[in-house]
Amino acid sequence: QKEVEQDPGPLSVPEGAIVSLNCTYSNSAFQYFMWYRQYSRKGPELLMYTYSSGNKEDGRFTAQVDKSSKYISLFIRDSQPSDSATYLCAMGGRGSTLGRLYFGRGTQLTVWP
Amino acid sequence: DAGVTQSPTHLIKTRGQQVTLRCSPKSGHDTVSWYQQALGQGPQFIFQYYEEEERQRGNFPDRFSGHQFPNYSSELNVNALLLGDSALYLCASSFTRGETSKNIQYFGAGTRLSVL
Repeated sequence: QKEVEQDPGPLSVPEGAIVSLNCTYSNSAFQYFMWYRQYSRKGPELLMYTYSSGNKEDGRFTAQVDKSSKYISLFIRDSQPSDSATYLCAMGGRGSTLGRLYFGRGTQLTVWP
Repeated sequence: DAGVTQSPTHLIKTRGQQVTLRCSPKSGHDTVSWYQQALGQGPQFIFQYYEEEERQRGNFPDRFSGHQFPNYSSELNVNALLLGDSALYLCASSFTRGETSKNIQYFGAGTRLSVL
């Protein structure tokens, strides 16, 4: 079992839709949860990060972490064609693995006008 | 403020050759991590450098080695290239000022390595 599981999609939605992206994980030591956006043939761009459980909102983006279920989500409201990209979840722990990130394989999102 | 810069952007090598990739971290950052991203996959951690030493290493063979310089820039070297080494190699930087900052990593655009 991989440490981080993410449905690769593809996910295709119309402009203005609410998008829900999800990851599950198996390592209970993960404390830091990140979402990255990666455009084709580019490096990942950090969108949001959350420490431990709870919600965090930034503009049209909301990140949720449920540590009891080992489940994280990213919601995109009022999606735009410019949101079309691959979304990667990433997780990090503490102690000896501090600074090592574990990634999902990414979900490919297309927002059509 | 320059972000993370990597060079070259693309490399083509043949099996058995050696390659060196370079990375300059974001201004103010002192830690560099390297990741390998195969097509259709998420990045996989190779290793991390801080204070010119390798601090952590992922599940990669010794053919993968690195170096960090006093100005915090870093190199990734891969010897005896295999076809399976074809991937996008990403450099990420962070700064060591508390636990949170070490996990918040900013990535460069990557070097695309093709091994023929």
